[in-house]
Amino acid sequence: AQSVTQPDIHITVSEGASLELRCNYSYGATPYLFWYVQSPGQGLQLLLKYFSGDTLVQGIKGFEAEFKRSQSSFNLRKPSVHWSDAAEYFCAVGESNTGKLIFGQGTTLQVKP
Amino acid sequence: DAGVIQSPRHEVTEMGQEVTLRCKPISGHNSLFWYRQTMMRGLELLIYFNNNVPIDDSGMPEDRFSAKMPNASFSTLKIQPSEPRDSAVYFCASSSTSGGRETQYFGPGTRLLVL
Repeated sequence: AQSVTQPDIHITVSEGASLELRCNYSYGATPYLFWYVQSPGQGLQLLLKYFSGDTLVQGIKGFEAEFKRSQSSFNLRKPSVHWSDAAEYFCAVGESNTGKLIFGQGTTLQVKP
Repeated sequence: DAGVIQSPRHEVTEMGQEVTLRCKPISGHNSLFWYRQTMMRGLELLIYFNNNVPIDDSGMPEDRFSAKMPNASFSTLKIQPSEPRDSAVYFCASSSTSGGRETQYFGPGTRLLVL
């Protein structure tokens, strides 16, 4: 069965430090992969997505993610974190035939001043 | 574009009452999804529609839950009767097609508390 695992429930980084959020997926076919961000009390906003082609994907707000098929991973990175990046981050895989999104449990990012 | 619109944004009700959540998808989108978010279960898909037709309702927890999409611009999720364990944030999302590569755009959610 398809699944998404985000191993880190909570991460704290200092402002200006680099960030990497981990995501591993299990999917039988070529995955469609997404990262969403949810600020407190808000809906989910798409950061970036991967369908095919270049395995390094650029997104909004300075985020990027790298698809590694051999590791079944799609980790999210940012070179320098801002206090406004504090939020919950969700990795998801999209089923190609239905469009259903399967979400990971989310990673809460806290940014220290 | 106004984005996906959900109402109400907050709902507090008593156990046993009927609750109706509403969603207006982005104009031109033909796929609509209802999700529920809880601390225990995270984000889970309840049901989704394509061209106003329910395609997969396997995520609907039980018969107390029902969803309709009478036209391309409106959908409802109804809980009758409501129970405290239904307390959650309910999100509606829409996308331009039903393919897995399409971005789903989420509404702000309805925060439901059942006392």
